[in-house]
Amino acid sequence: EIVMTQTPLSLSVTPGQPASISCKSSQSLLHRNGKTYLYWYVQKSGQSPQLLIYEVSNRFSGVPAKISGSGSGTDFTLRISRVEAEDVGLYYCMQSIQFPLTFGGGTKVEIK
Amino acid sequence: QVQLQESGPGLVKPSQTLSLTCTVSGDSINSGYWSWIRQLPGKGLEWIGHIYDSGVSYYNPSLQSRGNISADTSKNQFSLRLTSVTAADTAVYYCARGLGDWLRIEYFDHWGQGTMVSVSS
Repeated sequence: EIVMTQTPLSLSVTPGQPASISCKSSQSLLHRNGKTYLYWYVQKSGQSPQLLIYEVSNRFSGVPAKISGSGSGTDFTLRISRVEAEDVGLYYCMQSIQFPLTFGGGTKVEIK
Repeated sequence: QVQLQESGPGLVKPSQTLSLTCTVSGDSINSGYWSWIRQLPGKGLEWIGHIYDSGVSYYNPSLQSRGNISADTSKNQFSLRLTSVTAADTAVYYCARGLGDWLRIEYFDHWGQGTMVSVSS
């Protein structure tokens, strides 16, 4: 199975400052059809995970522009340009190029 | 809007079968990938499996053939059965709608609120 490795495990950020989360996959997530099957979710306290980003860099409906995704192949990054209290939560990357679908271990974002 | 709601026992004895049902509103389970995902205590997310075309299913090999997902289109529900459970199956279980193309499921866009299932005697 494809192993998804996220770093750091946790991040404490001053409000208004940027945050960056890395996700590395053990195999390339680029399919021969040109799509890269890498997705980002956030799970806020007491809630279910919510989709943030699909196919590396496309924001899902309602996701603010301060959240962005980038990367290719096996290395990906989620960025929050200015962290606010509403951004606190657990962030997960996920791959769906191959069964079983697998998630990263999660990155906890907190406010300082 | 699409809503999913899990239901089932919150406590299951070791070696018995865990059974959960997901009731869907706002969409038909005749299309799409209807999925089960679990979150082990203090750990991350694990895809369990999904069903599509109301009958074709795929499972995570980590379940070692203990999982079965079925659909009841008349009730717009799909269900998970996990046999021979152990304490390692204690988790929050989510049902979710998966979207994708004819080739594969790509991502989950709607999730249920999750239901905690504990395996204990």
